[in-house]
Amino acid sequence: KQEVTQIPAALSVPEGENLVLNCSFTDSAIYNLQWFRQDPGKGLTSLLLIQSSQREQTSGRLNASLDKSSGRSTLYIAASQPGDSATYLCAVSRGGANSKLTFGKGITLSVRP
Amino acid sequence: DTGVSQNPRHKITKRGQNVTFRCDPISEHNRLYWYRQTLGQGPEFLTYFQNEAQLEKSRLLSDRFSAERPKGSFSTLEIQRTEQGDSAMYLCASSLGGYTGGKGIGSVRPQHFGDGTRLSIL
Repeated sequence: KQEVTQIPAALSVPEGENLVLNCSFTDSAIYNLQWFRQDPGKGLTSLLLIQSSQREQTSGRLNASLDKSSGRSTLYIAASQPGDSATYLCAVSRGGANSKLTFGKGITLSVRP
Repeated sequence: DTGVSQNPRHKITKRGQNVTFRCDPISEHNRLYWYRQTLGQGPEFLTYFQNEAQLEKSRLLSDRFSAERPKGSFSTLEIQRTEQGDSAMYLCASSLGGYTGGKGIGSVRPQHFGDGTRLSIL
């Protein structure tokens, strides 16, 4: 059974800091990995999707990397802003006909002005 | 692209009542997923449709839960005889099935989520 772990559960940083959020998964037979952002009381916003054949994806100040062999992914946020405060979740998909997502519990990020 | 729409946003009901939620996916998306999220946890998969066919159900989906997607468009999730443990955020997601191109199996297109329906059982 696939398990996805995100540690720590919460993180507080001053504005402007570069930071890395970690995600690990137990079964390396994944097809893709997706990072999401969730604001309080809201649904999930897709940030980046990395296919298993890729090593990283970038969008603006965000960069996500994937190392399937070690079962790890990182989300790098450059020059953090208070508006980045949210919960960040990673999820993996095994692919095939379903591609349901298995999520971690998320990391709640607070960026202090 | 108007996004995934879920209604109602909030539902408060007494234990033992039946509730029904609706999800309208992005119009051209053929895949639709339901997830459940409790406080402090990540979403957990409940069930999945490809067009109108329900292809997989999680063991989390007891016989009190039923989901439909008539005509492969919107979907409904019904919970009968609600219990305290059913209190959660119910999230719907949709995606295009298939490939982004090139080789490979399954879907590499991202899932797009709605804002969810928050269910509170009194």
